[in-house]
Amino acid sequence: EDQVTQSPEALRLQEGESSSLNCSYTVSGLRGLFWYRQDPGKGPEFLFTLYSAGEEKEKERLKATLTKKESFLHITAPKPEDSATYLCAVQAYRGGADGLTFGKGTHLIIQP
Amino acid sequence: NAGVTQTPKFRILKIGQSMTLQCTQDMNHNYMYWYRQDPGMGLKLIYYSVGAGITDKGEVPNGYNVSRSTTEDFPLRLELAAPSQTSVYFCATLSGGYEQYFGPGTRLTVT
Repeated sequence: EDQVTQSPEALRLQEGESSSLNCSYTVSGLRGLFWYRQDPGKGPEFLFTLYSAGEEKEKERLKATLTKKESFLHITAPKPEDSATYLCAVQAYRGGADGLTFGKGTHLIIQP
Repeated sequence: NAGVTQTPKFRILKIGQSMTLQCTQDMNHNYMYWYRQDPGMGLKLIYYSVGAGITDKGEVPNGYNVSRSTTEDFPLRLELAAPSQTSVYFCATLSGGYEQYFGPGTRLTVT
């Protein structure tokens, strides 16, 4: 059974204070690991896909990395508008288009 | 290009009532999904479809039914609503890069 565990559950930072969110996973054959951002009352918004260990992707103040057991979402010099819940999900390669297995998310608050 | 749209945004049902949650996409994607999200929990897959006329169960299909008569539409049917079905429901489609794009959600309360 695929499993995704995110930590911490919640994180409060001051504006400009960099940090990292963790996503640990177990999956039988990783097709992809996905990061999403979710604002209150809205659907998840796609951020990144990582396919293999060692891969990194960046977008503005966010950088996602991947190892064989975990992924990190690094947030550099965050701003209040980065406040959101960040979701991590995996998809196993089973030859079909199975759904994603999601973690419970990290609720991030950036204080001005 | 609206992407994925869902209706209604909110709904309150009484126990035992039925309803259909609508999902429409204009991206011509073959794969579509229904998830539910409960407070403090990860999204759980209910059903998915790989194309018109083809559907399959996900992790939590009990109490739900789906159909897929066109590429654009993937409605989710709740029969005999129960309080355990109180949740936020999201529809999603799959792009060529395996990432899924989500609709804005339907918040359902069963009382």
